[in-house]
Amino acid sequence: DAMVIQNPRYQVTQFGKPVTLSCSQTLNHNVMYWYQQKSSQAPKLLFHYYDKDFNNEADTPDNFQSRRPNTSFCFLDIRSPGLGDAAMYLCATSRDRGDSYEQYFGPGTRLTVT
Amino acid sequence: AQSVTQLDSHVSVSEGTPVLLRCNYSSSYSPSLFWYVQHPNKGLQLLLKYTSAATLVKGINGFEAEFKKSETSFHLTKPSAHMSDAAEYFCVVSEENQGGKLIFGQGTELSVKP
Repeated sequence: DAMVIQNPRYQVTQFGKPVTLSCSQTLNHNVMYWYQQKSSQAPKLLFHYYDKDFNNEADTPDNFQSRRPNTSFCFLDIRSPGLGDAAMYLCATSRDRGDSYEQYFGPGTRLTVT
Repeated sequence: AQSVTQLDSHVSVSEGTPVLLRCNYSSSYSPSLFWYVQHPNKGLQLLLKYTSAATLVKGINGFEAEFKKSETSFHLTKPSAHMSDAAEYFCVVSEENQGGKLIFGQGTELSVKP
């Protein structure tokens, strides 16, 4: 089945130690998104790629970076994780941008910062 | 700017009874609206979407929602709740001319009692 895969599902890192989260998709979608979701809150968009075009949200901290080496893969890099970065990180894809295109979400990576 | 308000942060029903999760939106045009479900420690799954076609939208797992422009509402219903329906539900609007950026409601936690 076509799907969005996130690895690892659970990640523990130390305060200040860089960490990379991975997302891959078999849907061949043009757009890939990264969301941060803290406990009991709605997901918050960090940034998205439209093909190779990177689009950062205005309030996304510089500590968060992303790479999309090809259509299938997208990575979220947290350069110096703080305790406040502990959250669920969700990757999503959509076939194209536009109001009517739904997003398909991966299962998420839960990040713990010690 | 668009916005979404989910009127209940928590809804509790008994198994076999109807489910109603309320959502109101604010939009200056005819929006695309979605309902997503999130089970604990999982990603978001699309239940259904409205994109200016039929106002009564049927989704997966017996859920449906009705778009009412006059009331600016998009309530989610199900005739008979099942234990597996216990989850967090998000009403979402797609932001006009923002490349499919999603605006999330605050979420409604649905509990189902045996």
